[in-house]
Amino acid sequence: EAQVTQNPRYLITVTGKKLTVTCSQNMNHEYMSWYRQDPGLGLRQIYYSMNVEVTDKGDVPEGYKVSRKEKRNFPLILESPSPNQTSLYFCASRSSGRVSEQYFGPGTRLTVT
Amino acid sequence: GESVGLHLPTLSVQEGDNSIINCAYSNSASDYFIWYKQESGKGPQFIIDIRSNMDKRQGQRVTVLLNKTVKHLSLQIAATQPGDSAVYFCAERQGGSEKLVFGKGTKLTVNP
Repeated sequence: EAQVTQNPRYLITVTGKKLTVTCSQNMNHEYMSWYRQDPGLGLRQIYYSMNVEVTDKGDVPEGYKVSRKEKRNFPLILESPSPNQTSLYFCASRSSGRVSEQYFGPGTRLTVT
Repeated sequence: GESVGLHLPTLSVQEGDNSIINCAYSNSASDYFIWYKQESGKGPQFIIDIRSNMDKRQGQRVTVLLNKTVKHLSLQIAATQPGDSAVYFCAERQGGSEKLVFGKGTKLTVNP
């Protein structure tokens, strides 16, 4: 089954404790992206990657890091999480030629206390 | 602020009626407009898209209309069903970019 998976689905952590949210897709997609979703603000892009070893900032990259060492994986790293990073995070992927048809993961709900 | 927004945050319809969800955009350079559906507890799911050189596109039970004169986008759902209850997002791709800008979403509730 074609899918985007994220882990963990839920995470409660404390300020300053480094964490990684993993994202993996099995569709051989070139393009992957991370979004955060907050009430009243919709989906905002954090980082995206056009292909292996190619990443770029989205609209809200501060406090986040990403890496793209393999085509299928695109982890999101919070080196020193803060309470304002409490949010619902979505990973997405698509083929580079299909702008519209992004496949989203199920989401990771992160709470930073 | 965001260049993609919505006219109404919530919409409630009776089962079997047609639904219309609206979206305004401000970037005239956007070349792709997309509608996503997000059910509770799930990630957004692609519904339909339209290029900026078109004004109408139909899918299965859904139609997207684009009015570039007033920078307005709408999603029409025919014979709305309870399974259509979700939050609907419009998104635009800014021309020449790989980036999508999402609107804040409209919550559609279908009453039996």
